[in-house]
Amino acid sequence: AQKVTQAQTEISVVEKEDVTLDCVYETRDTTYYLFWYKQPPSGELVFLIRRNSFDEQNEISGRYSWNFQKSTSSFNFTITASQVVDSAVYFCALSEAGDTDKLIFGTGTRLQVFP
Amino acid sequence: NAGVTQTPKFRVLKTGQSMTLLCAQDMNHEYMYWYRQDPGMGLRLIHYSVGEGTTAKGEVPDGYNVSRLKKQNFLLGLESAAPSQTSVYFCASSSIGGLSYNEQFFGPGTRLTVL
Repeated sequence: AQKVTQAQTEISVVEKEDVTLDCVYETRDTTYYLFWYKQPPSGELVFLIRRNSFDEQNEISGRYSWNFQKSTSSFNFTITASQVVDSAVYFCALSEAGDTDKLIFGTGTRLQVFP
Repeated sequence: NAGVTQTPKFRVLKTGQSMTLLCAQDMNHEYMYWYRQDPGMGLRLIHYSVGEGTTAKGEVPDGYNVSRLKKQNFLLGLESAAPSQTSVYFCASSSIGGLSYNEQFFGPGTRLTVL
């Protein structure tokens, strides 16, 4: 069965600290997609990244980076030099190929960045 | 290009009342979804549709019905609302091809309270 685990319920950091959000997934499929979404206090869901199971290259986008490791079924998200605007709930999600793109979400990690 | 829109944004119902949530997308997406978000539980799939005239059950379908009479619209109905259906409801859509393949685009959400 598919499952996404975000063990960190809430993380608090001070501005400029680096922070890593953990995501562990379970799937029997060999082809799947992993996502990160951001939900700021305003409530909308903001797409951050999609990674397919055949691409294990790490990705960096500005202060954001993602580490995908199939060996440990993890897809962790790091924010470098965090800012107050990074305060949000972050969701990791899994979609299996050929399953109509249905998303299985983790329970989310609430990140609070204090000035 | 409005993306995914949801109507209404907020609603308060009494137990036993019925209502319909409307989701509309203008991206010509084939797939559409309804999720609910509850504290500490992430987003869970209620129903989804892979095309006009088709619907299927997701993870938590009980107490809800859906219809997709037009490709751009996906309606979620509550026939007899219960307090357990108090939640934030998100609609999403995705394309089966193109550059944004597999990426779900989310609406702004509808906050429903059932008293």
